[in-house]
Amino acid sequence: DSGVTQTPKHLITATGQRVTLRCSPRSGDLSVYWYQQSLDQGLQFLIQYYNGEERAKGNILERFSAQQFPDLHSELNLSSLELGDSALYFCASSVSETAYGYTFGSGTRLTVV
Amino acid sequence: QKEVEQDPGPLSVPEGAIVSLNCTYSNSAFQYFMWYRQYSRKGPELLMYTYSSGNKEDGRFTAQVDKSSKYISLFIRDSQPSDSATYLCAILSGGGADGLTFGKGTHLIIQP
Repeated sequence: DSGVTQTPKHLITATGQRVTLRCSPRSGDLSVYWYQQSLDQGLQFLIQYYNGEERAKGNILERFSAQQFPDLHSELNLSSLELGDSALYFCASSVSETAYGYTFGSGTRLTVV
Repeated sequence: QKEVEQDPGPLSVPEGAIVSLNCTYSNSAFQYFMWYRQYSRKGPELLMYTYSSGNKEDGRFTAQVDKSSKYISLFIRDSQPSDSATYLCAILSGGGADGLTFGKGTHLIIQP
């Protein structure tokens, strides 16, 4: 167990729907990162939050949004889902704002049908 | 040209062999270099990180960076079946503002 908790582990939903993925970082970690992993694109950075504030944005679609709450857990919201959004979504956490190594959770496998 | 290139494999070697895994990158702004290991259905796990050219050793693992050639390597000595996994190189620019850029990973199989 890495200490980063992601729920749910699996999610199956239909095109056009909206889902929320949840992440609880390791105790003491202030930064949360979201990554998407697909077979063709590999691991792609989506967004980073540090102590409740957005710090960096990567290849995140406008249909996707995230936030980090005062208790430091984070949620990734995916809306108007398309078949191509099917992927593994990983959350990672670190102590500092600029980290050279993260601790990843076990991921949420999203299947859009 | 992709920012980080990594041979997807699979790379199959006998137990006890020395394994060499490699990545090339294109952006000179990259300054921090990491290797992650990912088992099936699990999240990536940080193995090693370094920020300078040269070698860094940790047990059976050695990370090597050649910034002049934009080439990074991970060597695994005395490979074990439990080392069978996907190995991802990851690179970070100096500011750290863009998240990690990952290679697609090399699938390694250690045959008992």
